[in-house]
Amino acid sequence: QKEVEQNSGPLSVPEGAIASLNCTYSDRGSQSFFWYRQYSGKSPELIMSIYSNGDKEDGRFTAQLNKASQYVSLLIRDSQPSDSATYLCAVSDSGGGADGLTFGKGTHLIIQP
Amino acid sequence: DVKVTQSSRYLVKRTGEKVFLECVQDMDHENMFWYRQDPGLGLRLIYFSYDVKMKEKGDIPEGYSVSREKKERFSLILESASTNQTSMYLCASSQNNEKLFFGSGTQLSVL
Repeated sequence: QKEVEQNSGPLSVPEGAIASLNCTYSDRGSQSFFWYRQYSGKSPELIMSIYSNGDKEDGRFTAQLNKASQYVSLLIRDSQPSDSATYLCAVSDSGGGADGLTFGKGTHLIIQP
Repeated sequence: DVKVTQSSRYLVKRTGEKVFLECVQDMDHENMFWYRQDPGLGLRLIYFSYDVKMKEKGDIPEGYSVSREKKERFSLILESASTNQTSMYLCASSQNNEKLFFGSGTQLSVL
């Protein structure tokens, strides 16, 4: 059984600071890694994907992957109240196949104005 | 933009009823998925399909079945609803595992 672990939080961060969200996964064969954001009462939406070791930046978001440590993280710079949401880490072992993603239970992030 | 449409936002059913949850996507995606989301348990994959008339069990298929007669439509069926199937059900589609597009979800209550 593939497992994806996240700290459930809540993680409280002051506005303007860096929010750091972490995720570990059990399947060493995992190929693709995703971060989804889910606002309360809404469905998840993809914000970042990463496939190779290192950092990937997109605006205020940076995803970091370390396959040796089976660890993936999401950094949110200059945090805004609108970033308050649950962040889901998701992992795929198929590298483009069709067997769906395994999700972590999510970290609840609160940005304090 | 991709649109994944779930037929009902809220649904209330009685124990033992047969329940159909419908999902339609408009981007000609090959893959479609059904997840359920519960507090403290996260998103769990029930069934998925990678082609018309094809289906594969996910992590928690017990008590559910699916149907995919057309590429754009993927139905989740609860043969005999039970109270432990009260949950938020999320349909998703993708062309590959690069990006899942989710529907708005169906909150099902089984009384």
